Amino acid sequence: QQQVKQSPQSLIVQKGGISIINCAYENTAFDYFPWYQQFPGKGPALLIAIRPDVSEKKEGRFTISFNKSAKQFSLHIMDSQPGDSATYFCAASNSGGSNYKLTFGKGTLLTVNP
Amino acid sequence: GAVVSQHPSWVICKSGTSVKIECRSLDFQATTMFWYRQFPKQSLMLMATSNEGSKATYEQGVEKDKFLINHASLTLSTLTVTSAHPEDSSFYICSASGFPQLSGRAPTHNEQFFGPGTRLTVL
Repeated sequence: QQQVKQSPQSLIVQKGGISIINCAYENTAFDYFPWYQQFPGKGPALLIAIRPDVSEKKEGRFTISFNKSAKQFSLHIMDSQPGDSATYFCAASNSGGSNYKLTFGKGTLLTVNP
Repeated sequence: GAVVSQHPSWVICKSGTSVKIECRSLDFQATTMFWYRQFPKQSLMLMATSNEGSKATYEQGVEKDKFLINHASLTLSTLTVTSAHPEDSSFYICSASGFPQLSGRAPTHNEQFFGPGTRLTVL
């Protein structure tokens, strides 16, 4: 019930292309879905987040698409750049749960080739 | 805003010694702090959750006597790895959630801000 499944495990994209990472969840009580970006040796940084009252949220080149009925959400990175090369984690939490604990996906290693 | 710092950024210690890692929220009041560990090329594993002034809640399988957590103030939490052994070598990351001290940014439920992490190597 607490699992968040993330795919693909790794992704290689050419500069200027679109990177797409998908996540699926099981717990229908989840109501907050953030994406984190992590560079090697650094802590994760919040990239963008969405709540289930909207189906899409865009911030610059980053867009989250959310499908409540399918219990899926995805991250789209437009015009991908070599500087976007990092590991991306999706996560989910429940506002009604204890301390808003985040359940993380296993991560996607994105490589953007110049 | 919403900056979390950790100290030290890396530490090397001998087996059997104890190591303390500090996590500070610099510009907001962290009502809740979380401690994670991360092995190479793996996801974050939540170790424990702490609320200011109360005992930490540990995740299943995490030894509370080995990983001591103190959240004595709204801006500081510490993780002490007691009697560290090589298998405790990992990347330890804290995160915090709470309310900003500076005006202009409304608190957001669930949002966690992560520290830069501490690399622990036990010889």
